[in-house]
Amino acid sequence: GAVVSQHPSRVICKSGTSVKIECRSLDFQATTMFWYRQFPKQSLMLMATSNEGSKATYEQGVEKDKFLINHASLTLSTLTVTSAHPEDSSFYICSARDDLGVFDTQYFGPGTRLTVL
Amino acid sequence: QKEVEQNSGPLSVPEGAIASLNCTYSDRVSQSFFWYRQYSGKSPELIMSIYSNGDKEDGRFTAQLNKASQYVSLLIRDSQPSDSATYLCAVKGGTGTASKLTFGTGTRLQVTL
Repeated sequence: GAVVSQHPSRVICKSGTSVKIECRSLDFQATTMFWYRQFPKQSLMLMATSNEGSKATYEQGVEKDKFLINHASLTLSTLTVTSAHPEDSSFYICSARDDLGVFDTQYFGPGTRLTVL
Repeated sequence: QKEVEQNSGPLSVPEGAIASLNCTYSDRVSQSFFWYRQYSGKSPELIMSIYSNGDKEDGRFTAQLNKASQYVSLLIRDSQPSDSATYLCAVKGGTGTASKLTFGTGTRLQVTL
């Protein structure tokens, strides 16, 4: 089946630093990837849609200068949380849509747990 | 009105029983519907997808779709303790590269021994 990896799985950083999270589709091409954030006991919230070779589309209320997204190839998207603060601590999950899949199924990565001290 | 609505639960069923999870959506033009399972601390895992009215069966799971009523459900037969998780209903809206999934808040299922 389709596999999506994320790295790192867990990161702890100091307030003010930047953190980069990678999302890779391992056995399929993904022109479109998505970045979600999930706080404890809450549902997934879409942050942005990442399109290969073009600018990401951010959801309302998500700061594009704080959450930098780069989708330079058909198998890799990165999310950089710049100048992270404790309120950015969350579970960040990416998903990738299989370009050749039936009905645009999305597959999720295992997630990255970010803790900002 | 939320775009995708689910009862948050918890829904508690005894082992071996049928668990019934329900979801309603507001966008009439939605065409694709998905059920994901999410264990605590983990990312969602795709269980079922359904696109046509009626039932779709896969092992112990059956998805049911009624577009006229804007309703999609997931039945889990012979529920096992390992089925205890949060089940997320997702509806795909938009077209082409602009399409994206909208998730419900999830229903927490507890299968008791």
